Amino acid sequence: AQSVTQPDIHITVSEGASLELRCNYSYGATPYLFWYVQSPGQGLQLLLKYFSGDTLVQGIKGFEAEFKRSQSSFNLRKPSVHWSDAAEYFCAVGGSSNTGKLIFGQGTTLQVKP
Amino acid sequence: GAGVSQTPSNKVTEKGKYVELRCDPISGHTALYWYRQSLGQGPEFLIYFQGTGAADDSGLPNDRFFAVRPEGSVSTLKIQRTERGDSAVYLCASSSGGGYTGELFFGEGSRLTVL
Repeated sequence: AQSVTQPDIHITVSEGASLELRCNYSYGATPYLFWYVQSPGQGLQLLLKYFSGDTLVQGIKGFEAEFKRSQSSFNLRKPSVHWSDAAEYFCAVGGSSNTGKLIFGQGTTLQVKP
Repeated sequence: GAGVSQTPSNKVTEKGKYVELRCDPISGHTALYWYRQSLGQGPEFLIYFQGTGAADDSGLPNDRFFAVRPEGSVSTLKIQRTERGDSAVYLCASSSGGGYTGELFFGEGSRLTVL
């Protein structure tokens, strides 16, 4: 069965530092992979997605993610974190290309220190 | 409105009561999803509508949960005989296409607390 693991429940980084959030997935075929961000009082927002092609994908707000099939990973990165990036981040894998349903990881809470 | 609208934003009810949660998707979006997010967890899929029909309801936990979308727009999630374990944030999302062709837009959720 498909599943997503985000090993880090909580991460704290200093403003301006680089960021990497880890995501590992379990899926039998070529996965559809997503990263979403959830800020307080706001709905989940799509940061980026990977379906096929170039394994390094660019997203909004300066985020990027790299798909590594050999490691079953889809880690999210940002070179320089801003205080406004503090939020909860969810990695998700597509559970069915027919329905478009998503299987989410449990999330990583990002805290940004000034 | 411009985004997915969910009402009520907060609902407190007593164990055993009936609850309805409403979702108003982005205009023109044919695909609509319900997810449930428990504290400290990621969202869990409940049900998917394409138009008026429930194309996938495999995530509904039991027969106390039911959802409708009679005119292919607004959807209502109905929970009968609520239990304390039903306490969670219920998220609605809509998309312009089926599968992963369109971006999924989420509402802010309805927080349900069962006392």
